[in-house]
Amino acid sequence: KNQVEQSPQSLIILEGKNCTLQCNYTVSPFSNLRWYKQDTGRGPVSLTIMTFSENTKSNGRYTATLDADTKQSSLHITASQLSDSASYICVVTGGDKIIFGKGTRLHILP
Amino acid sequence: DSGVTQTPKHLITATGQRVTLRCSPRSGDLSVYWYQQSLDQGLQFLIHYYNGEERAKGNILERFSAQQFPDLHSELNLSSLELGDSALYFCASSAGQGMSSYNEQFFGPGTRLTVL
Repeated sequence: KNQVEQSPQSLIILEGKNCTLQCNYTVSPFSNLRWYKQDTGRGPVSLTIMTFSENTKSNGRYTATLDADTKQSSLHITASQLSDSASYICVVTGGDKIIFGKGTRLHILP
Repeated sequence: DSGVTQTPKHLITATGQRVTLRCSPRSGDLSVYWYQQSLDQGLQFLIHYYNGEERAKGNILERFSAQQFPDLHSELNLSSLELGDSALYFCASSAGQGMSSYNEQFFGPGTRLTVL
């Protein structure tokens, strides 16, 4: 079954701290993996896109990694800011499929 | 601002009714995607159009249909509405031709549909 599992479901950290979000997938075939940031009630915004040949992709304080062998990805946020409070969604595409994870809800406390 | 516009922003209607959601893609993007986001299911892919042609279908109910017009705007029609259809509906546009293309998808602000 094609699935994208994210962990943790929610996370609370203090402003300035780092955190890592996880994404495991079983989607086949695999074309690319995307991380999105979604503020409550708004459309998702793309953070990174990676194909199987890319191990790491950075976008400012966001760094995504991909291990296509183990079918795992992570999103690392460095020096968190209050504006990072949002849901982070992992999405895997392949063939004619787009499979979304349920997201990790991140809360940054001052 | 992603450059993708969606109207209306909010829609409240009754069960059994029919509604039309509208999406205008970013200038130059030929692909339009429709998604449904509900609290219990998360984001789900509904349908993809490229330059007026349907390219892929996801978890789209038979009561739902969509089309993309020559000016590239798209409409999602939802009929015989049920309480469970209440959700946020997003469209996204992309310059890429296929669902698995490397091109970024830009999401609109969404239409919040409430079925009473």
